[in-house]
Amino acid sequence: KNQVEQSPQSLIILEGKNCTLQCNYTVSPFSNLRWYKQDTGRGPVSLTIMTFSENTKSNGRYTATLDADTKQSSLHITASQLSDSASYICVVSALGRGGGADGLTFGKGTHLIIQP
Amino acid sequence: NAGVTQTPKFRILKIGQSMTLQCTQDMNHNYMYWYRQDPGMGLKLIYYSVGAGITDKGEVPNGYNVSRSTTEDFPLRLELAAPSQTSVYFCASRSDRASNQPQHFGDGTRLSIL
Repeated sequence: KNQVEQSPQSLIILEGKNCTLQCNYTVSPFSNLRWYKQDTGRGPVSLTIMTFSENTKSNGRYTATLDADTKQSSLHITASQLSDSASYICVVSALGRGGGADGLTFGKGTHLIIQP
Repeated sequence: NAGVTQTPKFRILKIGQSMTLQCTQDMNHNYMYWYRQDPGMGLKLIYYSVGAGITDKGEVPNGYNVSRSTTEDFPLRLELAAPSQTSVYFCASRSDRASNQPQHFGDGTRLSIL
């Protein structure tokens, strides 16, 4: 069964500090891995999408890494801001699920709180 | 840009009632999706559509129906509401240029069945 596990479940850090969120997956065959940010009461917003051949991808202060061999990904947030408080969701797509189904498996998310 | 718009934002239903959750997008995306998000769980796919007139079941379709008469609109229908359908419902769309295009989500409909 395809699974996506995220850790930690929740995290509290001070404004200005860095943090790293983890994602382990067992989705096979692998197509791509996505990180989404979900603010409270809002829908998820895409941060990055990485395919098998991409090891790292940045979006401003967000940097995602992918190790397809160990089936692990991380999302690193640099110089955190209060607006980074949100849930961060790791999503993995299975190859071959064509026709629009996308074959996405969603993690439960990491709830990040930035304190002033 | 409006993106994906969902209405209503909140709704309380009694057991056995019916309702339609509305979703419209202005990005001319062919692919559209309905998900539910239960507390502490990952999103689950209910139904999806690859274009007007074409719909298909996702992982958890029981108790729901959809239609796609236009590219813009993808309503989700609950016929006989049950407490297990209490959830937050998200509609999403994406371009069909390639499968690794991001899905764009609406802000959800929070539904309680009492």
